Amino acid sequence: DTAVSQTPKYLVTQMGNDKSIKCEQNLGHDTMYWYKQDSKKFLKIMFSYNNKELIINETVPNRFSPKSPDKAHLNLHINSLELGDSAVYFCASSQETLAGGNEQFFGPGTRLTVL
Amino acid sequence: GQNIDQPTEMTATEGAIVQINCTYQTSGFNGLFWYQQHAGEAPTFLSYNVLDGLEEKGRFSSFLSRSKGYSYLLLKELQMKDSASYLCAVREGFGGYQKVTFGTGTKLQVIP
Repeated sequence: DTAVSQTPKYLVTQMGNDKSIKCEQNLGHDTMYWYKQDSKKFLKIMFSYNNKELIINETVPNRFSPKSPDKAHLNLHINSLELGDSAVYFCASSQETLAGGNEQFFGPGTRLTVL
Repeated sequence: GQNIDQPTEMTATEGAIVQINCTYQTSGFNGLFWYQQHAGEAPTFLSYNVLDGLEEKGRFSSFLSRSKGYSYLLLKELQMKDSASYLCAVREGFGGYQKVTFGTGTKLQVIP
């Protein structure tokens, strides 16, 4: 059974298009994340949601709009794609507690290439 | 905010021991993670430290000194499959707001 799944795995599109990436976790976790990993392999947090509520938005352009229909899903919609959006996007989930300490489980990643 | 530093690349020999260091500056420290990421794959969890000291898990150990803002990951009996990037990640915040920031990663190459 896949714990955190993302679709699609690869996405090639033209500049200016709108695209979505879907993420689902079957771990029963309350918190989900989107990360962007660029060509230099730096993994940067974009958003986090806890029980469908936005917790973190790391100054991401408003062309990026996350949507969490329920706590098992966190989708990412990107409008007006730009060349600089080319990267690998990882979804992750964790079970956050007041004490902290729970690791994140990552999806397989979506490699987005904007031409 | 956070500032996390780790070496960009390291090379070590199969069967040897390697130590990957990580230094950080943060307010509201609430734990440090190490993740392993093979090329083209997702990061996977290795270890977690929130109190000072050494946590051992098989061939991998992780150490934390909160007063020094310092951690290291120790890999023993290196195997070729250990060639990967190792990401140090620091959690800050408590309760409803917790954020994990990743370092840029250390690419480890294990050679025969």
